[in-house]
Amino acid sequence: NAGVMQNPRHLVRRRGQEARLRCSPVKGHSHVYWYRQLPEEGLKFMVYLQKENIIDESGMPKERFSAEFPKEGPSILRIQQVVRGDSAAYFCASSPKGTVDLSGNTIYFGEGSWLTVV
Amino acid sequence: AQKVTQAQTEISVVEKEDVTLDCVYETRDTTYYLFWYKQPPSGELVFLIRRNSFDEQNEISGRYSWNFQKSTSSFNFTITASQVVDSAVYFCALSGHTSGYSTLTFGKGTMLLVSP
Repeated sequence: NAGVMQNPRHLVRRRGQEARLRCSPVKGHSHVYWYRQLPEEGLKFMVYLQKENIIDESGMPKERFSAEFPKEGPSILRIQQVVRGDSAAYFCASSPKGTVDLSGNTIYFGEGSWLTVV
Repeated sequence: AQKVTQAQTEISVVEKEDVTLDCVYETRDTTYYLFWYKQPPSGELVFLIRRNSFDEQNEISGRYSWNFQKSTSSFNFTITASQVVDSAVYFCALSGHTSGYSTLTFGKGTMLLVSP
């Protein structure tokens, strides 16, 4: 938890609204990852981004979900027309480069954003 | 494909008991990393350990110890003399060469309840 900032921590949306979750990585990190934790489940990888590029979105639902990591500003995970099944904790992680090196844990997680759809 | 199995959904112990959390993994990568994370009731993920596939030496850190056995594809976690503050959900995770090591596959977690 070395400085990845996520906001909001808790978000309540009505069905059909949009949810925007923000993630500011550790300063100097240019790689960002989003994971989703459904109730009673482990975290599941959604998307991996570098500045202005999506590297791997194999875990992202094909519809309603999008992610970006612009040149300036935080990474945004956007969920359009939310449904009850989107209720989950969304974790962001960052790393200085895209591969784990031998110097220690280089993947830092934020504290999560809890989305509740009512 | 990678898979991490934590067969124990929930474990309850009394303070000062030792407890072992099991983790079994599957991967076709020959080079990979294994992780344990703790998620306390407050919800954040706390990194505990990372081990690479070439290092089978067991590790001890205070009351925590990890047993990595490549032959059985297991990376078990033992807490000695458990304390109430150890109550949390513990996740085992795996990252492999195929994914560039950068993405993690998590198990479903084991909830540990330590009562006084």
